Amino acid sequence: GENVGLHLPTLSVQEGDNSIINCAYSNSASDYFIWYKQESGKGPQFIIDIRSNMDKRQGQRVTVLLNKTVKHLSLQIAATQPGDSAVYFCAEDSGGGADGLTFGKGTHLIIQP
Amino acid sequence: DAGVTQSPTHLIKTRGQQVTLRCSPKSGHDTVSWYQQALGQGPQFIFQYYEEEERQRGNFPDRFSGHQFPNYSSELNVNALLLGDSALYLCASSFLGVGNTIYFGEGSWLTVV
Repeated sequence: GENVGLHLPTLSVQEGDNSIINCAYSNSASDYFIWYKQESGKGPQFIIDIRSNMDKRQGQRVTVLLNKTVKHLSLQIAATQPGDSAVYFCAEDSGGGADGLTFGKGTHLIIQP
Repeated sequence: DAGVTQSPTHLIKTRGQQVTLRCSPKSGHDTVSWYQQALGQGPQFIFQYYEEEERQRGNFPDRFSGHQFPNYSSELNVNALLLGDSALYLCASSFLGVGNTIYFGEGSWLTVV
């Protein structure tokens, strides 16, 4: 079936380096995508979102890129800090807000000192 | 401004019992969704409530039911608990419609023994 998936379960980066977390989706009807950060024992925290009519959106230290041609989404985190350690999920909305979000399995970002 | 609040934070139930989880949405939000997150997995959409009606439902059995009150708060009920219902139950709130930021609570950890 159609789903949102992530390429890597774990990503280890040096503190201060840039991190890139990837996500592949297969539902071409999806028109809204969100990245969430989930720390251990906590609920998902909104990071950044993007609509399907855009290909790039920037926030504070984060950038989301959307490539609809290959159905690929990425999250770039600049100058990674220890506090960025968490599991990152991409999620898609293909139901006009009514069908809930479809989440991938997540990527665990580990920051090396 | 309080975010999404959930109660209880942790609970233990026995197989066959029933459980009720509660959620207060972020101030002003009119739409509440519930998700189940098994350990090591992404959240799975259970259902969404708007104007006290269930708008859409994910792939969950009828043992899972809910309610939304006039003040937009919501309850999730699970009957005849199974061991496999052990999970983190997340409540999310937003304004109705795609593209509106969806905020999550910290969740209720349910353990079925």
